[in-house]
Amino acid sequence: EADIYQTPRYLVIGTGKKITLECSQTMGHDKMYWYQQDPGMELHLIHYSYGVNSTEKGDLSSESTVSRIRTEHFPLTLESARPSHTSQYLCASTRDSAYEQYFGPGTRLTVT
Amino acid sequence: EDQVTQSPEALRLQEGESSSLNCSYTVSGLRGLFWYRQDPGKGPEFLFTLYSAGEEKEKERLKATLTKKESFLHITAPKPEDSATYLCAVQARNSTSYGKLTFGQGTILTVHP
Repeated sequence: EADIYQTPRYLVIGTGKKITLECSQTMGHDKMYWYQQDPGMELHLIHYSYGVNSTEKGDLSSESTVSRIRTEHFPLTLESARPSHTSQYLCASTRDSAYEQYFGPGTRLTVT
Repeated sequence: EDQVTQSPEALRLQEGESSSLNCSYTVSGLRGLFWYRQDPGKGPEFLFTLYSAGEEKEKERLKATLTKKESFLHITAPKPEDSATYLCAVQARNSTSYGKLTFGQGTILTVHP
């Protein structure tokens, strides 16, 4: 069983607020990822990290930012939330890019 | 561009009625094909990785197979607890070191008692 955690699980917030979605893993994985998933749609990669102090944007353009100060922690921040940011955000990690990625439970974000 | 198409979009089965889900893919050299299970409101749960054509993997009532163009997830004598969305993803051999996965849209499986 994967040890990867996300908080909060659900968040309803007003437009213009700054939010941070937390993701932590206890497996010592160097590579971590953030995906966005809308209902009934594919997962789309928005950010990834090779390791500490390494972050890159993924295929899907996102107004969010990420940081990787510690191996186990990969938070995602939205400086000013908008209704278009309403979605499910999934965090994942892997020990090596050629292997399976393990996912957290996700954060369901609703911006009103 | 890598592409993954899953069919059917939704599948309803009676308990005990075996069937298969399909994942067709187009990729510039396959490094790996991954199957995940996703329950409503949760993150995907890893099931299998397949690396080369002819490879098969089994877990309880599930068996995944791989050809050069598609993968099948066979479900034998399903139970209601097998109801979930099943996701397929591919990774290309020439993908950058971050390990890009391309996902399909999933098959929603419902097993009625």
